Order: sequence, then C-alpha cells, then structure tokens
Amino acid sequence: GENVEQHPSTLSVQEGDSAVIKCTYSDSASNYFPWYKQELGKRPQLIIDIRSNVGEKKDQRIAVTLNKTAKHFSLHITETQPEDSAVYFCAASKDTGTASKLTFGTGTRLQVTL
Amino acid sequence: DSGVTQTPKHLITATGQRVTLRCSPRSGDLSVYWYQQSLDQGLQFLIQYYNGEERAKGNILERFSAQQFPDLHSELNLSSLELGDSALYFCASSELAGVTGELFFGEGSRLTVL
Repeated sequence: GENVEQHPSTLSVQEGDSAVIKCTYSDSASNYFPWYKQELGKRPQLIIDIRSNVGEKKDQRIAVTLNKTAKHFSLHITETQPEDSAVYFCAASKDTGTASKLTFGTGTRLQVTL
Repeated sequence: DSGVTQTPKHLITATGQRVTLRCSPRSGDLSVYWYQQSLDQGLQFLIQYYNGEERAKGNILERFSAQQFPDLHSELNLSSLELGDSALYFCASSELAGVTGELFFGEGSRLTVL
C-alpha cells in the first residue's frame, strides 16, 4: 500500500519567514495530494490540494509543488503569521473514482514565533 | 462547523469492553471515512463506506468493525478494547466515492481505555 513520509516533524520559524514541509510517497499511481491543517484540539481542515497533472498550485501565501518523477511534494508558506501555528499533514491518494484511501503523513508541528 | 457530527465526544472505558462511535455525514455526502489519530501515528485510515457499501479498507483491526446505514450515518464498533486503542477517532465525509475534493472531518471522538 501507499506510504507517505513527512519531514520535518517539528518546525519553528519567526513571524514573516517562510516555512517548507516536504513529503514523499511510494505509490506511483497516486494522483491526488492534499494538505490538511489541524489546530490544537480541532479537526483537520483542507488548506490546499494538487492533482498529478499539475506541477504547482498557489493560493495566497500557500503553495504546493509536485515532482511526480521523484514522488515528492512540498508545502510552502510565505510570510508566516502566528495563526499559521498548527500541525500540517500531507496526504496521498489513488483516486479511482469508486474508492479512495487517503494516506496521511505523520504531521509537522509548525510554530511561528514573534 | 463542518456539518459532520460525531458522538460521543469523549468516552472512557476499561480494557476488554466494547464501544460504538457514531457519525452523521454532511447533508448530501454519501461517503464516510473513519480515521484513528494517536500521538505517534498521525492519521491512520481505517475504512471507507459509500452509500452503505464498503469501498476501501486500511489497517483496521479485526476487533474493529464498521457499517453505514440506509440513512447514511455510520458506526464504528471497537471490541475487546486494549490500552493501545486509546486515540482520537475521526469521521469524515465527502460527496463522492473517490476523493475529488475536500474531506470534511467531524470534531472526533476521544476514546480513553483504562
């Protein structure tokens, strides 16, 4: 089955700096790669996603890049703010249209300091 | 509010016991997913149902079972509980069987096995 590795497990940046979280996946057939943010004590929420036919996607201060050859995708957060502090999960899925098993990475705890 | 309702929010029980967690998906969503979140394991996919039918299975223990009823609510049954089953159990829903967009997570059911 799919295996998703995520690094780093913790990341501390100063407010205004950029943060980068990296993930690798094992199943070359995976075609959907979302990122979820989980604030302390809250539910995970989707912040951005990318499909395998796209190399990069951006939404304001958040961007995701995908390298299908290397089976690698990354989350970039620019101009970090204290409210960006949370645990971020990458995930990968092979969406067949009839079923989906979204496999998550182990999470990155991002701390944005003032 | 994601529109996904999970009950109970908290549950404390003893080893060897059996519990049932309940999930009501968002209105209109036919697909329900169960995830287990423990401290060192991130979000582990357990099982997916679509319109009452099992569609995908993760590393769900044989002591665990789930079903989705005609009204689309789902129940996760955990039996012969062990200390290691203590975790936060999330239910999520989506409109379609394949993951073509956001999974909407509930607030989770925190299970503590003593």
